[in-house]
Amino acid sequence: DTGVSQDPRHKITKRGQNVTFRCDPISEHNRLYWYRQTLGQGPEFLTYFQNEAQLEKSRLLSDRFSAERPKGSFSTLEIQRTEQGDSAMYLCASSLASGRSYYEQYFGPGTRLTVT
Amino acid sequence: AQKVTQAQTEISVVEKEDVTLDCVYETRDTTYYLFWYKQPPSGELVFLIRRNSFDEQNEISGRYSWNFQKSTSSFNFTITASQVVDSAVYFCALSETGFQKLVFGTGTRLLVSP
Repeated sequence: DTGVSQDPRHKITKRGQNVTFRCDPISEHNRLYWYRQTLGQGPEFLTYFQNEAQLEKSRLLSDRFSAERPKGSFSTLEIQRTEQGDSAMYLCASSLASGRSYYEQYFGPGTRLTVT
Repeated sequence: AQKVTQAQTEISVVEKEDVTLDCVYETRDTTYYLFWYKQPPSGELVFLIRRNSFDEQNEISGRYSWNFQKSTSSFNFTITASQVVDSAVYFCALSETGFQKLVFGTGTRLLVSP
């Protein structure tokens, strides 16, 4: 059973450029989450999907950020016109939700973004 | 509003010592879930335990044990006979009804020296 995978693992970009990250969840998981973690802090929630529907977005997710999960499998997170404040670790997690049963989130290795 | 407080920023112990990591939470929901995750130097968050608000039984798993007390809104984590491999940042997290987003504390860095 493979875990959550993320690509790329590291990304260095210049301010103003667009970047896109990909997350592949655990295959049977229908929920997918994005979090952002800066140095010395805990992860902060950005958004989550159940299947292909985006159900919640944090106020942290400015207009420059967009996330998709087109077929309810993998997801992409795009940041347009990157700023130095976007430098962080972007974490993806997945979980299973079935009826009224919910299960814990499993995290991927993260994508570390550095904006120069 | 949900909030998780981990007041201990960093703890240093010598191998074989017992150590307790504190977690205090705030929520208005009567149904909620508490979690502990480990983040080793490699960076990947590793799930350790989930606890439901309606189940206050303490849990033990090998050298790990968790003490959940609703009366003090605490969910503390004890490692018995610590080992160097336990060195990591440990996060406590909270999720409300519907098991949606996790709200994390700021983490406690545990350093276990030989």
